[in-house]
Amino acid sequence: NAGVMQNPRHLVRRRGQEARLRCSPMKGHSHVYWYRQLPEEGLKFMVYLQKENIIDESGMPKERFSAEFPKEGPSILRIQQVVRGDSAAYFCASSPRWSENYGYTFGSGTRLTVV
Amino acid sequence: DQQVKQNSPSLSVQEGRISILNCDYTNSMFDYFLWYKKYPAEGPTFLISISSIKDKNEDGRFTVFLNKSAKHLSLHIVPSQPGDSAVYFCAASEDKDYGGSQGNLIFGKGTKLSVKP
Repeated sequence: NAGVMQNPRHLVRRRGQEARLRCSPMKGHSHVYWYRQLPEEGLKFMVYLQKENIIDESGMPKERFSAEFPKEGPSILRIQQVVRGDSAAYFCASSPRWSENYGYTFGSGTRLTVV
Repeated sequence: DQQVKQNSPSLSVQEGRISILNCDYTNSMFDYFLWYKKYPAEGPTFLISISSIKDKNEDGRFTVFLNKSAKHLSLHIVPSQPGDSAVYFCAASEDKDYGGSQGNLIFGKGTKLSVKP
């Protein structure tokens, strides 16, 4: 049973370009969460999605960032017109509908570098 | 304003001894607490959790203690092993009406544990 798969592992973008980060949840998991970790910081919640629905996007910047989790295919975190401050590790996590221990399963992350 | 605080950025312990990692929180609405372990270039791995209705949860070498009145929790690792060397994150969840799903977690900044042979 593969874990949460994120790709690419590393992504370099020039300022102004678009970044697309993909996340395939664990088999049987219908809930996806995106977190961002800046250097020397903890993980910060961005968005929580279920299939075709955004449940909580309270941590998502209002501009340039969007997320989707379509009926078919992976969840996508999209960052338009990237700036240097977007450089961070972006982690995706998934969970089943009911999780008795509340623990998510995280992917290995995508490290975005904006040059 | 940080709702979950890990005030020790690093901790060094001798192999075989006890490691105690501390975490403080400010939001009294938090009702579930978790510890994650993270190696470099990997995602966090869930270790252990505790509900606010309990004061202790144990899983093998790992025990989490919760003191609600002090808004403090701690993770004890006994005995510590070199493979435990990693960054440990404390996280908290507030019960929201997501129909059973846990929603978002609030993470501390982490404590880097080094276990020396």
